[in-house]
Amino acid sequence: EDQVTQSPEALRLQEGESSSLNCSYTVSGLRGLFWYRQDPGKGPEFLFTLYSAGEEKEKERLKATLTKKESFLHITAPKPEDSATYLCAVQARNTPLVFGKGTRLSVIA
Amino acid sequence: GAVVSQHPSRVICKSGTSVKIECRSLDFQATTMFWYRQFPKQSLMLMATSNEGSKATYEQGVEKDKFLINHASLTLSTLTVTSAHPEDSSFYICSARRDFETQYFGPGTRLLVL
Repeated sequence: EDQVTQSPEALRLQEGESSSLNCSYTVSGLRGLFWYRQDPGKGPEFLFTLYSAGEEKEKERLKATLTKKESFLHITAPKPEDSATYLCAVQARNTPLVFGKGTRLSVIA
Repeated sequence: GAVVSQHPSRVICKSGTSVKIECRSLDFQATTMFWYRQFPKQSLMLMATSNEGSKATYEQGVEKDKFLINHASLTLSTLTVTSAHPEDSSFYICSARRDFETQYFGPGTRLLVL
């Protein structure tokens, strides 16, 4: 059974304090690993897709990396507007996305 | 990125009535659409998957006669909650995907059944 585990469950950072969120996964035939951001009362917003180990993608203060067992979302010098829940999901062949429970990030000014 | 819209964003209805939620992919043709339900502070729960022109595939435990899904075109899917009851109150989110590419999500619909 495909599984996704995200840690920590919640993270509180001071503005400018860099950190990383972890997404560990087990899946048969990974087709893609996805990172989304979700603000309260809104649908998930797509951030990145990673397809193979060693791949990295960046967007503003965010950088996602992928190994054969886990993915990291690195947040450099976060700002209060980066506060949100970050969701990781994996897709195997011909199956729906399997989501982790998310990491609730709070960035304090 | 691709844009997915949902309508309405918020709906309040009386117990026993039916509610229809629309999901549209605005700038791409979605071969597959998904419907999720989300409870407060919990992750997304997949309800069903639908392909254009085919019957939806429901996840275990989801009543297909209660949650009617229609995927009539490559840009429109609807979810109808029939005979809604207070326990159906939740946040419903649709998602659309072209072929096997990235899934894009709508903004969600907050349903409150009184």
